[in-house]
Amino acid sequence: DGGITQSPKYLFRKEGQNVTLSCEQNLNHDAMYWYRQDPGQGLRLIYYSQIVNDFQKGDIAEGYSVSREKKESFPLTVTSAQKNPTAFYLCASSPRQGASLEQYFGPGTRLTVT
Amino acid sequence: LAKTTQPISMDSYEGQEVNITCSHNNIATNDYITWYQQFPSQGPRFIIQGYKTKVTNEVASLFIPADRKSSTLSLPRVSLSDTAVYYCLVGGGPGSARQLTFGSGTQLTVLP
Repeated sequence: DGGITQSPKYLFRKEGQNVTLSCEQNLNHDAMYWYRQDPGQGLRLIYYSQIVNDFQKGDIAEGYSVSREKKESFPLTVTSAQKNPTAFYLCASSPRQGASLEQYFGPGTRLTVT
Repeated sequence: LAKTTQPISMDSYEGQEVNITCSHNNIATNDYITWYQQFPSQGPRFIIQGYKTKVTNEVASLFIPADRKSSTLSLPRVSLSDTAVYYCLVGGGPGSARQLTFGSGTQLTVLP
């Protein structure tokens, strides 16, 4: 069963704690992406990676960090430096980086920080 | 990045054809036009993509005029399950460093 998995679906943390969101894909895609979505808003790009061991900042990278040690995995860490971390986080992948190609999205992780 | 403008919301009735128009005046030569659908608390799902003229698949049609400054997503005979947010995106072609930008989208509500 090919696709993208994100875990957990819901995550609760206390303010000041770092938290890591998991994203795994078995589609053999080169490119992976992390987006953030706030209520009633569109998606905003946090980080993206075109190949293993390489990643670039998106529009709102401050307060976040990523790693791409394996092709199938692209975890996102929400650090305590992120001012408003409560949001819906979506991971996506595409065969290779480029907007003309379809992006496949995971089910998302809803993070609540209190 | 090419900016897109689309209506905030639209209402329709079951069985009707729905057309959602998106403006993208500063689209670049190698930009593609892509539409996604998103249900609440789910990731967006690819619907259709085109470069010029008309593209049709089993779900929708995409009409792009010659100047490519706008595009229209056409959903034939909508049902209640088509209620969702629809995003219009423009972005670079293969190898481009330009990323997709999701605006606020169009909330389509299909009424019985």
